[in-house]
Amino acid sequence: ETGVTQTPRHLVMGMTNKKSLKCEQHLGHNAMYWYKQSAKKPLELMFVYNFKEQTENNSVPSRFSPECPNSSHLFLHLHTLQPEDSALYLCASSLSSGQPQHFGDGTRLSIL
Amino acid sequence: QQQVKQSPQSLIVQKGGISIINCAYENTAFDYFPWYQQFPGKGPALLIAIRPDVSEKKEGRFTISFNKSAKQFSLHIMDSQPGDSATYFCAASDYGQNFVFGPGTRLSVLP
Repeated sequence: ETGVTQTPRHLVMGMTNKKSLKCEQHLGHNAMYWYKQSAKKPLELMFVYNFKEQTENNSVPSRFSPECPNSSHLFLHLHTLQPEDSALYLCASSLSSGQPQHFGDGTRLSIL
Repeated sequence: QQQVKQSPQSLIVQKGGISIINCAYENTAFDYFPWYQQFPGKGPALLIAIRPDVSEKKEGRFTISFNKSAKQFSLHIMDSQPGDSATYFCAASDYGQNFVFGPGTRLSVLP
């Protein structure tokens, strides 16, 4: 149990579908992150939320839409994705922004 | 300025050998340097970390060496085991806004 839970663990979707990834943390942290991890590529930071406010958006295409309703939950809404969006999407949390991050086990996303 | 460089990209070591992974940074405001370990199908997990007020930190078979003047730090895995086969990420943080990961090193320990 990592303290950061991501669902679903695997997701296959067509390019015209709309789906959402969910992340929940039980660590009492105030910062939450979305990362994209592709094969043979470094971790790519996508979004950062600190105390429910988005503090970073790393030039992520608008087909990815984050939502942070409270400090414990983070969503990534997906629509009209492209095949190159197939990757492992990791959620992380930390006590506050810039502090050690704790990761979930990710959602493996495949776009058909 | 915000980048953390990591080498090698991949590493193959015999069981019982020493694995060494190196990282370098530019931003002198960084004051916390963790290493993460990631197994296939899992998220990265914090392995060991160091602050620049010490030059070395050891936890079991894992040691971080830190050279503040050179702005470099490294992870040494002594008596490497097949179970250590994973991807290792170094990172650097200023404990404020910035937390930057290196590109990762894929370690394979042969039995």
